[in-house]
Amino acid sequence: DQQVKQNSPSLSVQEGRISILNCDYTNSMFDYFLWYKKYPAEGPTFLISISSIKDKNEDGRFTVFLNKSAKHLSLHIVPSQPGDSAVYFCAAHALSGTYKYIFGTGTRLKVLA
Amino acid sequence: DTEVTQTPKHLVMGMTNKKSLKCEQHMGHRAMYWYKQKAKKPPELMFVYSYEKLSINESVPSRFSPECPNSSLLNLHLHALQPEDSALYLCASSHQKALKKGAFFGQGTRLTVV
Repeated sequence: DQQVKQNSPSLSVQEGRISILNCDYTNSMFDYFLWYKKYPAEGPTFLISISSIKDKNEDGRFTVFLNKSAKHLSLHIVPSQPGDSAVYFCAAHALSGTYKYIFGTGTRLKVLA
Repeated sequence: DTEVTQTPKHLVMGMTNKKSLKCEQHMGHRAMYWYKQKAKKPPELMFVYSYEKLSINESVPSRFSPECPNSSLLNLHLHALQPEDSALYLCASSHQKALKKGAFFGQGTRLTVV
């Protein structure tokens, strides 16, 4: 049972445009959400996070939006750059007071020059 | 130093072999993790150590045996593995407040069991 899902396995976007990556979850007890980027042959790299008590967090070109009622979050990248081409994972903090994270299925983003 | 270093990068082992994966970090993180990632799948949590004590074991088979000798090192001992255990094994570490800053991941060890 996949508690964190990214329903788009891949996404292609023109350079300079906005990339929107989506993530859905099923467990309303998740209290923190994180986005990671992963290049081939490398480990995931942390991008941005959001607490369940917020609905938006922004860091430079990256903004994460959280809609708790819909159990949905999205990562916006604007403007998109070719170097953003990677696999993006959302992850949910599963258990308060522990270090347990559940990763989504991932979305491969390709930014076209 | 903001790196998590994993060795070896690649490992091929037979089903009767015993091998170990190693992970090292010098960021003062007191939480260290092992994840397993199969192709086109998300990383799956295996173990978490917090202050050198095993905090989470996600019902991992006993042929995988973690060890945390000190706050900078994390090992994963492998014995009698099956071909389906072939995967990318990722080590990560984090501060206690990993919620805001996430975890730092190593490059992984690509394990092939033959």
